[in-house]
Amino acid sequence: GNSVTQMEGPVTLSEEAFLTINCTYTATGYPSLFWYVQYPGEGLQLLLKATKADDKGSNKGFEATYRKETTSFHLEKGSVQVSDSAVYFCALFTGGGNKLTFGTGTQLKVEL
Amino acid sequence: DTAVSQTPKYLVTQMGNDKSIKCEQNLGHDTMYWYKQDSKKFLKIMFSYNNKELIINETVPNRFSPKSPDKAHLNLHINSLELGDSAVYFCASTGDSSSYEQYFGPGTRLTVT
Repeated sequence: GNSVTQMEGPVTLSEEAFLTINCTYTATGYPSLFWYVQYPGEGLQLLLKATKADDKGSNKGFEATYRKETTSFHLEKGSVQVSDSAVYFCALFTGGGNKLTFGTGTQLKVEL
Repeated sequence: DTAVSQTPKYLVTQMGNDKSIKCEQNLGHDTMYWYKQDSKKFLKIMFSYNNKELIINETVPNRFSPKSPDKAHLNLHINSLELGDSAVYFCASTGDSSSYEQYFGPGTRLTVT
C-alpha cells in the first residue's frame, strides 16, 4: 500500500535559518506529491505540488523536488520567518482509492 | 467567498449525546471528505462522497454517519459521543480528479466531557 514518512518534529529554528523537512514515500504507480501547511487554529492548505518525476514545486519561498530515484519530496526554504511556524504535511495521490495519503506532519517553530 | 465552510467551529458536549457537524463547499467540487485530527496532529480520513454517493468508508465506528443531501454539502452525525471522539474534524473537497488537490475547511473542535 501507499505510505508517507516524515521526519518527526518539532523542528525549532531561528529566523533566517535554512529549513529542510524530509519526506519519503512508498507507492504503487506514479504518484502526485504534495506539501500541505496547517497554521495554528486553521485547516490545511496546499503549499506546493509536483505531479511527475524531477518536477519542482515552489510557493512562498518553499521548494520541493520530486525525486523518483530516492522516492523523496523534501521541503526546503532558504530563510524561514516566524510566520512560517506551522505544521507541514507531506502527501501523495496515485489515482487508486480516491484519497490522499498523508504523512504524520512535522511541526515547525521559528523563533526570533 | 469562503470555499469550504464548517459549522460549528467549536462544540463542547457531554458523553452520550448526539451531535452533528455541517460542511458546505461553494467550489463546485464533486468529491468531499471528512477527516479526524487527533491531539498529535495525526490526520485520518473517515469518509468520502462523490456526487452524493459514499466512496470511502474507513474503519470508523458506526456511531458516525455521514450524510450528503447534495454534492455541495456533507454533514457528519455522531451518536452516543465518547471521550475518545474529542478531536478536530475537518471537511475537505476536491474537483481535480487528475491530481486530487484538496481544499480544507477551518475545522470543528469537538470536546466531549
